[in-house]
Amino acid sequence: AQRVTQPEKLLSVFKGAPVELKCNYSYSGSPELFWYVQYSRQRLQLLLRHISRESIKGFTADLNKGETSFHLKKPFAQEEDSAMYYCALKKRDYKLSFGAGTTVTVRA
Amino acid sequence: DGGITQSPKYLFRKEGQNVTLSCEQNLNHDAMYWYRQDPGQGLRLIYYSQIVNDFQKGDIAEGYSVSREKKESFPLTVTSAQKNPTAFYLCASSINGMKETQYFGPGTRLLVL
Repeated sequence: AQRVTQPEKLLSVFKGAPVELKCNYSYSGSPELFWYVQYSRQRLQLLLRHISRESIKGFTADLNKGETSFHLKKPFAQEEDSAMYYCALKKRDYKLSFGAGTTVTVRA
Repeated sequence: DGGITQSPKYLFRKEGQNVTLSCEQNLNHDAMYWYRQDPGQGLRLIYYSQIVNDFQKGDIAEGYSVSREKKESFPLTVTSAQKNPTAFYLCASSINGMKETQYFGPGTRLLVL
């Protein structure tokens, strides 16, 4: 099965602390993975994709094929990072399979 | 970002009633999608359309219907056969088909009276 698992429903960190959101996937072959973010009262938007190997808003995510993971990390969390984060996998039929999401709260 | 619009923002459905959610995009995107977002379950694909006058069932199509008569419009009807319609519904679109990045609308929250 081509599936994404986000084991943490809620994540709370202090401002300035590192934050890591876990994402594990099951997929045979070369996966295409994404992180989407939904800020309060805003629409869901693409944060980053593993193909681009970019850093957006200080976030990075590295694809680890050995551990089948695509964890999202930021070394110093900011209050504006509080949001719902979804990990997504593009399946062979090009449909997106989303994880259940992680709600991040950054406290002052 | 503002190229995909959904209306209404909130919608109330009575028992046995069909309701239609609107999704419009002015991005000239070929593909359009409907997702359902439930707490703790992420997004699940209801229907998608890669081209005008063509659409395919997603993972949870039962109780829903769609049409794609125009490139810019992809309305979703929640029929009375959908027994648990209360959810947040998201429309998305992508250029040149499903290989490309999907862009999402602001969503419609459907509540059952």
